[in-house]
Amino acid sequence: QVQLQESGPGLVKPSGTLSLTCAVSGGSISSPNWWSWIRQPPGKGLEWIGDIFLGGSTNYNPSLKSRVTISVDKSKNQFSLKLSSVTAADTAVYYCARLSTMFRGVTSMDVWGKGTTVTVSS
Amino acid sequence: DIQMTQSPSSLSASVGDRVTITCRASQSISDYLNWYQQKPGKAPNLLIYGASSLQSGVPSRFSGSGSGTDFTLTISSLQPEDFATYYCQQSYSTPRTFGQGTKVEIK
Repeated sequence: QVQLQESGPGLVKPSGTLSLTCAVSGGSISSPNWWSWIRQPPGKGLEWIGDIFLGGSTNYNPSLKSRVTISVDKSKNQFSLKLSSVTAADTAVYYCARLSTMFRGVTSMDVWGKGTTVTVSS
Repeated sequence: DIQMTQSPSSLSASVGDRVTITCRASQSISDYLNWYQQKPGKAPNLLIYGASSLQSGVPSRFSGSGSGTDFTLTISSLQPEDFATYYCQQSYSTPRTFGQGTKVEIK
């Protein structure tokens, strides 16, 4: 059973770079799935950040695209998120998730990490 | 971007009630619609994919319907563990977008 675990600094300074890692256990990151990052500001809804396929193909939210990089490290069975030039508006719980193709191109986020809180503050 | 709009934003219901939540897409998304449940302090959990397919392990009191732009999540008999926030999400195109959420509270 695949499990995901986010890790990284809980506090980032304004204008700095947020860096998070999602470790995949119980399965291989090289399986034919997309791997996603989603965030949730305090008291608000869910926002998709982007995802990556094992071959390195990526999709990013246009609202964040200029600041986001998602990468995969197959040797460590993990994928990562970097978000640059952060402000207080980037304070949120950050989740990683597996995006599986269920059938006929229908995809869904069927496995989620527990989430990690990142606060942007000096 | 495809905008997803849920209604209501919140509702109060009693155990045993039938509950219906609606999600509308700003353009047709066929059946590329997922539903998630999120409890406080927890990650979202997939309930329904492809508008009407029940995810493995999810109780059969949950059901989904709809196609095109209008979708519905129904809980046939609300249980104490169902009090949570529910989100719809379209998987038709990127950016992948979520509805704003519907909070189901105890009456």
